[in-house]
Amino acid sequence: ELKVEQNPLFLSMQEGKNYTIYCNYSTTSDRLYWYRQDPGKSLESLFVLLSNGAVKQEGRLMASLDTKARLSTLHITAAVHDLSATYFCAANMNYGGSQGNLIFGKGTKLSVKP
Amino acid sequence: GAGVSQSPSNKVTEKGKDVELRCDPISGHTALYWYRQSLGQGLEFLIYFQGNSAPDKSGLPSDRFSAERTGGSVSTLTIQRTQQEDSAVYLCASSLLQVSYEQYFGPGTRLTVT
Repeated sequence: ELKVEQNPLFLSMQEGKNYTIYCNYSTTSDRLYWYRQDPGKSLESLFVLLSNGAVKQEGRLMASLDTKARLSTLHITAAVHDLSATYFCAANMNYGGSQGNLIFGKGTKLSVKP
Repeated sequence: GAGVSQSPSNKVTEKGKDVELRCDPISGHTALYWYRQSLGQGLEFLIYFQGNSAPDKSGLPSDRFSAERTGGSVSTLTIQRTQQEDSAVYLCASSLLQVSYEQYFGPGTRLTVT
């Protein structure tokens, strides 16, 4: 059974600081996803990581995937208030090319303070 | 282009009533997923449709839940004899097979069972 664990679950940061959110998953998964959710809103796709060593960056966010360690990280550089949201990682349930459903972590609620 | 749409956006129903939730996926997307999000359980997979294949119903929590997808497009999630524990936000997502595998989420339907 695939399980996805994120930490920390809550993160309070000061503007301008750097931090990393960690996402561990328990069994083989061929894709790792990061989503952002603002209060009362749906999920916005941030990154899809498809292979070992994949690194993607968008603005102040950078995501990476280590399939051997079953670990993905979401690194935040020089945080700004607009990044305050809940961030979810998710792993793909099926391995080997099919779509399959996503298994989500519990989410990391990020609060960036001035 | 148009994203995933869901209706209604909010639904309040009395315990024991049946409800139908609708999802319109992105045009041309072959895969459609239903998830639900609640405070206690986080984001949970419910059911997955892929083309003309039999749906993956492994996430449905009880036989009161069912879903269909007509013509490979619109999907309806039906909950019979609703219970208070069914209160949650029901999210629909769609994706295009073998492209980015990215799942695009709709705005959700907030279901409240009184």
